[in-house]
Formats: sequence, C-alpha cells, structure tokens
Amino acid sequence: EVQLVESGGGLVKPGGSLRLSCAASGFTFSYYSMTWVRQAPGEGLEWVSSISSGGSHVYYADSVKGRFTISRDNTKNSLYLQMNSLRAEDTALYYCTRVAGEQQLYWYFDLWGRGTLVTVSS
Amino acid sequence: QSVLTQPPSVSGAPGQRVTISCTGSSSNIGAGSDVNWYQQLPGTAPKLLIYHSTTRPSGVPDRFSGSKSGTSASLAITGLQAEDEADYYCQSYDSSLSGWVFGGGTKLTVL
Repeated sequence: EVQLVESGGGLVKPGGSLRLSCAASGFTFSYYSMTWVRQAPGEGLEWVSSISSGGSHVYYADSVKGRFTISRDNTKNSLYLQMNSLRAEDTALYYCTRVAGEQQLYWYFDLWGRGTLVTVSS
Repeated sequence: QSVLTQPPSVSGAPGQRVTISCTGSSSNIGAGSDVNWYQQLPGTAPKLLIYHSTTRPSGVPDRFSGSKSGTSASLAITGLQAEDEADYYCQSYDSSLSGWVFGGGTKLTVL
C-alpha cells in the first residue's frame, strides 16, 4: 500500500526541540521530492519545508527558516524534520507529503500522511 | 493573511453548482504557476483534488473541475452531494517568496 506515516510529535516547552519522522512505503521514495505541511488547530494549511529527491536542495518557509532542518534517508525511505527553538505558534498537525510535478512552478502534493501533532506549551 | 485569497465559506443545495475562487498575484498564479486544489473532509488529511490547474487525479469524480485565468483560479463543483461538505484549499508557487503557498481555505456547506 502506498502510504506515508508520520511520528515523533508530542508536547514540548517553548525553546525546546523535536524531531519528526515520516516513513514512506509502497513507492520508490528516492524518486520523489518531499514536503512538510502544517495545520494549526482550526486553521488552514501552511507549507513548511521541502527537499529534493536526492536531498541536495532544501527549501523553507520564512516562519521556520533558521530553526527547522529538513532531511531524508533514502536507504531507510524516511523523511525528517528537526525542529529547534520551538514557539507556541509552531503548534500544529504536521503532515508529510509527496511532491509531484517536474518544476517548482508545477509542484503539487499528491500523497499525504495522517499527520503528527506538535504542541508547544509551558 | 494568505497570499492566495479564498472566500471563507460557500454553500449550496444538493444538486446545485458552486464555485470557489482563488485570487493570487503576478508573483504566483499570474506568473504562470499551476494552481492545485485539495479537499479536506472533517477530521481527515487533505486529499489532492485538481492539479495542473485543470487535471483530475484518477478516482476524483468529473463533478469537480478547475480553471485558471490571469491571476485567479476557480474550483467548480456540480451536482452537489452531502459528501462534498469539506474544506477546500488552493495552492500555488510564489516566486517572490520562493516557496509554496496555500489559500486560507473555503468551507463548503451542503444545505
């Protein structure tokens, strides 16, 4: 079955760190760029970060630049998001998504996981 | 304030046709970026509904259609059904932000 399964969410204090993981199965993970999208409680979707298929190109939203690091391990079919200096406004459901489309102008997210919840609170 | 502007809500009776607009600018939709649409049913993850502005993935009913013109795009849903009640999001790439952007989302209510 083609799927993405996120893990690693939880409750963390402001200023703390958390590492999210996403396990991919059912498709050739190394062929695809990947993306993290988040959704704050009761709010809309927000693009967080993307990584190219080989891992050499990474992209970040301004809201997380300098604090979050995206990475991947194609030998383990896994995507990661290292989150440091967490703030209350980072509280959200974090979705792992697969990217389709050949150029950035045409990228879309064709497969989504169920998400993992990150809560930043003292 | 989202870079792509959507109406917060739309509604329609079963069988009717509704449209959801997505207004961008010269740095995203107007720059030639594709517009993609996602459906999020209550309590579930988003699902791809339309990509490349007008293309439906396999399994998406032809009641859903997308269009794009200038700096705007639209999602049309014909023959409304109760199961269509969901949040709908548009998405594109913004060259000024060097990143991907979503609309604020539109809640569709089937009366």
